Parts: sequence; C-alpha cells; structure tokens
Amino acid sequence: DQQVKQNSPSLSVQEGRISILNCDYTNSMFDYFLWYKKYPAEGPTFLISISSIKDKNEDGRFTVFLNKSAKHLSLHIVPSQPGDSAVYFCAASDDGSSNTGKLIFGQGTTLQVKP
Amino acid sequence: GAGVSQSPSNKVTEKGKDVELRCDPISGHTALYWYRQSLGQGLEFLIYFQGNSAPDKSGLPSDRFSAERTGGSVSTLTIQRTQQEDSAVYLCASSNRWGGAIGELFFGEGSRLTVL
Repeated sequence: DQQVKQNSPSLSVQEGRISILNCDYTNSMFDYFLWYKKYPAEGPTFLISISSIKDKNEDGRFTVFLNKSAKHLSLHIVPSQPGDSAVYFCAASDDGSSNTGKLIFGQGTTLQVKP
Repeated sequence: GAGVSQSPSNKVTEKGKDVELRCDPISGHTALYWYRQSLGQGLEFLIYFQGNSAPDKSGLPSDRFSAERTGGSVSTLTIQRTQQEDSAVYLCASSNRWGGAIGELFFGEGSRLTVL
C-alpha cells in the first residue's frame, strides 16, 4: 500500500528551464508535506515543506504547490541548475503539529539537469 | 561533527549471519527514525522512537529485525539471520520538536548492507 507515490522515476531538463516533479498521495489524514533531495552516497536533506492549510510555498528557486482535492503536490525548480541533479523524494506526515511525527516517503524521482 | 552519525558505513556479510547497525543522533533530538532504501526503491519506514514513548515498529519487515534506543540517544538496528533481500542502505534520522522546520528530519549518510 503505497501511500505516497512518485510515478516518474526520472526527469531530464535543460539548464535554465523549469523542472516539475510530481507526487500523489492517498491518505487524506496527511497534513504536512515535504520534499527532500538526495545526492549519491549522502543522506537526504530537507528542501521545502508545505502545510495542508496552504496551497503554495516558495523558497528561492523552489516552489511547492499543493492540491488537496486532487491529493497532489508538485515541486517546481526554476531556473534549473546542473547542481540540482539529484534524487528528489516527496514525503508526508499526519502529525503536522509536531515535527517529530514519522514521514512516509515516495519512491523518488531522479532529476538530471543538462548544461 | 554535529550531524547524525552512522556506523559501519559499509557492511558485507554472509547469509544467515546477524548484523548490528549503529546510529548516533544529533544531541538533544528527541525523535529517532530508521529507514531503508533498497536498490531502485524509495525510502521505506522501519521504526520510530520518540522520547520515552513505546517505539512505532509498524515498518519492521519481519521479526528478524529489531531496534533499541539506549538512554534516549544511541540506537542499534539488529538484523538476525540476514537474507539477501535485506541488502539495502539503512538510513537513520533524528529530529527535534524545537529545531528546524516542522517535519524536518536530519539524516545520516547511511549504512550500506550487502548480504552475500
């Protein structure tokens, strides 16, 4: 039972263009969503998050959009840079009032940004 | 350093042997998590410790897996009678209610387990 799904295993974009990574979830109790970025041989690092009371959160080149009715979120990176090449994981929590709730992760999407 | 530390970074073992993986969380972090990433797969939740509460073991794949957290700090994940399907990168993470963004987990670099 995959509660958080990233249906695209990989994405390739040209430097300077927009990267859009998608994520779907099934559990309506999820109230907090996060994106993590992972380079090879390193642990994932936190990138950006969004509460279910919002539909957009922006941090520099990174914007996360949440569509609760569709149970869908997306991460936009613009402009994309070669250093953004990594695996991106979507994650969800049903305990957004505390940051010590467990996270359920998607399968990840490998982003390649070509110079 | 001040981050999450895991050891060993790499472990090769024979099928049937027991292994122990260690995690030193960030000092003061109340929550500790174990995840694993099998080849080509996402991050699979294994177990979660929060303070003095009973751990959430709902992600452990079989009774060959166990974990403990001593003194609210260091954690050990033990896999008994290892099988080839246990081969994966085992990631430990910690978090603190009062530090970082809500939901932010701080991950270690992982322990890569290979079962021959």
